[in-house]
Amino acid sequence: DIQMTQSPSTLSASVGDRVTITCRASQSISKWLAWYQQKPGKAPKLLIYRASSLESGVPSRFSGSGSGTEFTLTISSLQPDDFASYYCQQYNSYEGLTFGGGTKVEIK
Amino acid sequence: EVQLVESGGGLVQPGGSLRLSCAASGFTFSSYWMSWVRQAPGKGLEWVANIKKDGSEKYYVDSVKGRFTISRDNAKNSLYLQMNSLRAGDTAVYYCACVYGMDVWGQGTTVTVSS
Repeated sequence: DIQMTQSPSTLSASVGDRVTITCRASQSISKWLAWYQQKPGKAPKLLIYRASSLESGVPSRFSGSGSGTEFTLTISSLQPDDFASYYCQQYNSYEGLTFGGGTKVEIK
Repeated sequence: EVQLVESGGGLVQPGGSLRLSCAASGFTFSSYWMSWVRQAPGKGLEWVANIKKDGSEKYYVDSVKGRFTISRDNAKNSLYLQMNSLRAGDTAVYYCACVYGMDVWGQGTTVTVSS
């Protein structure tokens, strides 16, 4: 089974800050990596797919990079609406999905 | 509009059973692998099960193997999760999702296992 290690688990930041979240896979997943944003009581919202492709309608301040086992989500200038939890997800195989443990982005 | 709508959640005693349903609309349901994902209160997302387009392949997380069964009815555009021998640790919001080839999630249905 592929394990996904996401860090940090909590991040305190201010509006306008540049924020980076990392995700490491236990084995190569090529670029089969997605990033989701989740707010309390809501379903996850797709931000990035195929590691670096921006989902339609998602602000360009969100970007993703990486391949193989190391991936990064960057928010270039944190906005008030961005305070939420973020999850990476590998979908390299139909035999199962794996999510990272999540990163809660809090107001500093 | 592409949409997934779950139903069937509720309060059940330990050892009990529950059947979740997910109604799909706005896309060709039979063309996509489907998944169930759950989220325990205050915790992260956990994949539960996958099913192939035609229902011929099914995969489960180890913690539900032998207790949960995923199925689908392509004629009814519906996905199901039969949950037996429920435990307190199965308490969660359950989402149906289509994440292979597209990305659609339902709003979730809450399952509470408690005496």
